[in-house]
Amino acid sequence: QVQLKESGPGLVQPSETLSLTCTVSGFSLTSYSVSWVRQPSGKGPEWMGRMWYDGDTAYNSALKSRLSISRDTSKNQVFLKMNSLQTDDTGTYYCTRDGPMGDYWGQGVMVTVSS
Amino acid sequence: DVQMTQSPSYLAASPGESVSISCKASKSISTYLAWYQEKPGKANKLLIYSGSTLQSGTPSRFSGSGSGTDFTLTIRSLEPEDFTVYYCQHYNEYPLTFGSGTKLEIK
Repeated sequence: QVQLKESGPGLVQPSETLSLTCTVSGFSLTSYSVSWVRQPSGKGPEWMGRMWYDGDTAYNSALKSRLSISRDTSKNQVFLKMNSLQTDDTGTYYCTRDGPMGDYWGQGVMVTVSS
Repeated sequence: DVQMTQSPSYLAASPGESVSISCKASKSISTYLAWYQEKPGKANKLLIYSGSTLQSGTPSRFSGSGSGTDFTLTIRSLEPEDFTVYYCQHYNEYPLTFGSGTKLEIK
């Protein structure tokens, strides 16, 4: 069945770079796009960006200068890197399979930005 | 960016009752609107897409309506497992944006 699982550090220092991995199973990254979505505690989700099935990318303009999304199709993984982290980047980060909306979600990984 | 205004933020109802949640877009999004259900410790679940199409596995007591800027999620005959948080999201253009959520509580 379709599964997505996020992994990465739970704690990041301010000004440092966040690196997250989304490992997928049950579908091909060359057939479906994958998005990253984050959610601060108690707030609504924010779409961050997308890795298209053809390898193209799209980013939320609010984050574009700090964000990079890439993939390794041989490992069924999509990667997120975001630099210059601040405390308001704290939240739960999700990857979703897009069909074109998020028809499957990972359970998320909690990221805290703190010194 | 398209702003999604979701209301109410909190809603109290009893099992067996029906409720409606509103989602208004700041400009027309046709029917590119999805509804999600969030439960603690579980992956978010897509309930409805294209404004009114039930995702496979979504119980028939859920329904969606609307087009353009005004959308509604209706849940008939509430079951205990329905008392949780719901979000709308448009996917008409970049960036995709979400509503701020509605928490459905037991009265």
